[in-house]
Amino acid sequence: SQTIHQWPATLVQPVGSPLSLECTVEGTSNPNLYWYRQAAGRGLQLLFYSVGIGQISSEVPQNLSASRPQDRQFILSSKKLLLSDSGFYLCAWTGQGPNTEAFFGQGTRLTVV
Amino acid sequence: AQSVTRLDSHVSVSEGTPVLLRCNYSSSYSPSLFWYVQHPNKGLQLLLKYTSAATLVKGINGFEAEFKKSETSFHLTKPSAHMSDAAEYFCVVSPFSGGYNKLIFGAGTRLAVHP
Repeated sequence: SQTIHQWPATLVQPVGSPLSLECTVEGTSNPNLYWYRQAAGRGLQLLFYSVGIGQISSEVPQNLSASRPQDRQFILSSKKLLLSDSGFYLCAWTGQGPNTEAFFGQGTRLTVV
Repeated sequence: AQSVTRLDSHVSVSEGTPVLLRCNYSSSYSPSLFWYVQHPNKGLQLLLKYTSAATLVKGINGFEAEFKKSETSFHLTKPSAHMSDAAEYFCVVSPFSGGYNKLIFGAGTRLAVHP
């Protein structure tokens, strides 16, 4: 069966420090991968998606970047964190093709102080 | 453009009573629609999905939703609430464009269940 792992679960980082969140998927190949951010009391905002290795698309301009060095690995990064980067970050994957549901990781609670 | 709108930010029910969480969608063609549930500080779990097959969709944990094209609605229901149903629920529309499924989330509905 397919599983998705996301870590760390919680992170407290000072302003200006770098960030690296990692997500890996097992049990499937060629997944579409996604990074979402959830601000307190709000819905999920799509940050990045990837349809293949090295293919990254950004939905919103921001202080973050994403990379996909391997088929089932998706990394969210920042060189210098801002206070506004605080939030709950979720990685997800879907299969190829339409009408497929997304499967989510357990999320990372990032607090920038 | 496709979108979803949750009609209630908070819903409070007593244990054992019915649950109704309302969602309207906007789509220029037959959409794929989903309901997800999120417990505090957890990832999202799929409850059910509609993909232009039967209009009444049954999901996990006794939840179901009915797709009504005439009302552009996809409301989530459960006959009898359980304490463990307390969580945040998201209605999602998913257009397929550019080779990927773009899941568009509405704001969540927080469900409280009282003993």
